Amino acid sequence: EPEVTQTPSHQVTQMGQEVILRCVPISNHLYFYWYRQILGQKVEFLVSFYNNEISEKSEIFDDQFSVERPDGSNFTLKIRSTKLEDSAMYFCASSLGPGEEQYFGPGTRLTVT
Amino acid sequence: AQTVTQSQPEMSVQEAETVTLSCTYDTSESNYYLFWYKQPPSRQMILVIRQEAYKQQNATENRFSVNFQKAAKSFSLKISDSQLGDTAMYFCAFMNLNGANSKLTFGKGITLSVRP
Repeated sequence: EPEVTQTPSHQVTQMGQEVILRCVPISNHLYFYWYRQILGQKVEFLVSFYNNEISEKSEIFDDQFSVERPDGSNFTLKIRSTKLEDSAMYFCASSLGPGEEQYFGPGTRLTVT
Repeated sequence: AQTVTQSQPEMSVQEAETVTLSCTYDTSESNYYLFWYKQPPSRQMILVIRQEAYKQQNATENRFSVNFQKAAKSFSLKISDSQLGDTAMYFCAFMNLNGANSKLTFGKGITLSVRP
């Protein structure tokens, strides 16, 4: 069964550094998402991406964040100048279309020290 | 804006028994989906069940079923014949179908423990 994959599984970085979280969505999916979950809290929407552009973003997704689909398979989330409060689990998801089931990757645990 | 409320932070159930997890939501939209996701200790998000708001019939998936009360904006999950592998965090989620965007709005989750 096709699945969403994410790398790395765990990333430790120092405050102020840039990180890139990588996702490989399911190959025939067209809509891509990033969510984050701070430890012990609910999962929060960050951004959705379709047709090579952002279709919606939350208030969390400020200028510190960017997304990119650099090739036909990868979908990346870049966090510039990381802060302590960026420590969280970041989930990538993909779907065939709007309203279709979103399949989640296993997540990347980001720890900012 | 949509909100999803899960007021019970945790529940416990004996193996083989039935448990119901509560969820309420608030929206002015008429066309939407509701979901229950399971997050085991591995933290992978796994879809358990989906309900389309336009369908009156409650969704079922094997041991999992929902009680969808549209007028009351209530969407509870019933797990029958609970198994140890059901121990996980369960999140209720809302998806608005109007427009091109389909972000999921999650509740805070409930921790379910199945006792042997």
